[in-house]
Amino acid sequence: DIVLTQSPLSLPVTLGQPASISCRSSQSLVDSDGNTYLNWFQQRPGQSPRRLLYKVSNRDSGVPDRFSGSGSGTDFTLKISRVEAEDVGIYYCMQGTQWPWTFGQGTKVEIK
Amino acid sequence: EGQLVESGGGLVQPGGSLRLSCTASGFTFSSYWMTWVRQAPGRGLEWVASINADGSKKFYVDSVKGRFTISRDNAYNSMFLHMNSLAAEDTAVYYCARHPAPGTIDYWGQGTLVIVSS
Repeated sequence: DIVLTQSPLSLPVTLGQPASISCRSSQSLVDSDGNTYLNWFQQRPGQSPRRLLYKVSNRDSGVPDRFSGSGSGTDFTLKISRVEAEDVGIYYCMQGTQWPWTFGQGTKVEIK
Repeated sequence: EGQLVESGGGLVQPGGSLRLSCTASGFTFSSYWMTWVRQAPGRGLEWVASINADGSKKFYVDSVKGRFTISRDNAYNSMFLHMNSLAAEDTAVYYCARHPAPGTIDYWGQGTLVIVSS
């Protein structure tokens, strides 16, 4: 199974400052079709997860452009350019390249 | 916009069975793969099972193989998770989710809580 390792697991951030979360895969996430099925989800307290990004860097409709994704192969990053109060929550990467699909452990973003 | 509503969760004894349901609206259910994801209390997300649009292909995480069965009824815009031989480690909120395309899920339901305890 593909293991996704996120870091850090806890990320205290000052409002208005940038934040960055790493997701490293135990295997390349490039599929045989050439796509890289790496997704990022946000789970606010008490809510269901919400997809932010798919195929590494494609932002979902309604997701603020302060969220961006990058990376390739086995190393991926979610960046928040300027953290706002509504960004508090847990962020998960997830790979859909190979069954079983797997998630990272989650990174808790909180305001300092 | 699509909506997914889970039901069927509850308290069940170890070794017992439960059937979860997920009812979809707002999109053409029969055209999409669907998935179950669970989250144990205070823990992260775990993919459980997925089923293709016509129900002919099913995938499971190893920890539930032989105990859980995913199914769907496109006539009723519904997906199910039949869970047998439940154990304490199956205690979790179970979410259903939609695959809009390969390798990803977008819409999530609100989840249904399953508690396995004597």
